Amino acid sequence: AQSVAQPEDQVNVAEGNPLTVKCTYSVSGNPYLFWYVQYPNRGLQFLLKYITGDNLVKGSYGFEAEFNKSQTSFHLKKPSALVSDSALYFCAVRDYTDKLIFGTGTRLQVFP
Amino acid sequence: DVKVTQSSRYLVKRTGEKVFLECVQDMDHENMFWYRQDPGLGLRLIYFSYDVKMKEKGDIPEGYSVSREKKERFSLILESASTNQTSMYLCASSPSGRSRGNEQFFGPGTRLTVL
Repeated sequence: AQSVAQPEDQVNVAEGNPLTVKCTYSVSGNPYLFWYVQYPNRGLQFLLKYITGDNLVKGSYGFEAEFNKSQTSFHLKKPSALVSDSALYFCAVRDYTDKLIFGTGTRLQVFP
Repeated sequence: DVKVTQSSRYLVKRTGEKVFLECVQDMDHENMFWYRQDPGLGLRLIYFSYDVKMKEKGDIPEGYSVSREKKERFSLILESASTNQTSMYLCASSPSGRSRGNEQFFGPGTRLTVL
């Protein structure tokens, strides 16, 4: 069965420092991977996706993610964190239908 | 821009009441989804629909039903609300799966409290 794991409930980083939010996946076949962000009391917003091609995927708000097939990971990264990046981040994998399987979420806290 | 709207941002109901949550999308998407979001559990799929009048159970359908009479509208129904259905409910839509890379677009969510 398809699944994703987000091993960290919370990530703390100082503003201006690089950030990484981790995600690992388990799929049969080629993975279709997604990152979403949720700001307080809002719905989820799409950040980026990996379908095929380059292992480094660029998305919205300066975020990028690195697909690593050997480590079955799809970590979200940003070179320089902003306080406004503080939010809840979800990794997801597409199953063989159109459904998404979500991780449990990682809360990112960026301190001034 | 794709827009997915939900009928209420906040809703308070009493145990045993019948509750309707409405979702409308304006991008002619074939697929629509209902999730509930609870702390530490992420998003769990309740029901989804690939087409008008078509529905499929997700991971946690018990206590819920859905209706899709028109392509743009997908309703979630709690037949008899219970306190353990207090949660954030999120609706989403996406184009059909000809390209599996299609992302889902989410509404703002409805925070339901059942007293």
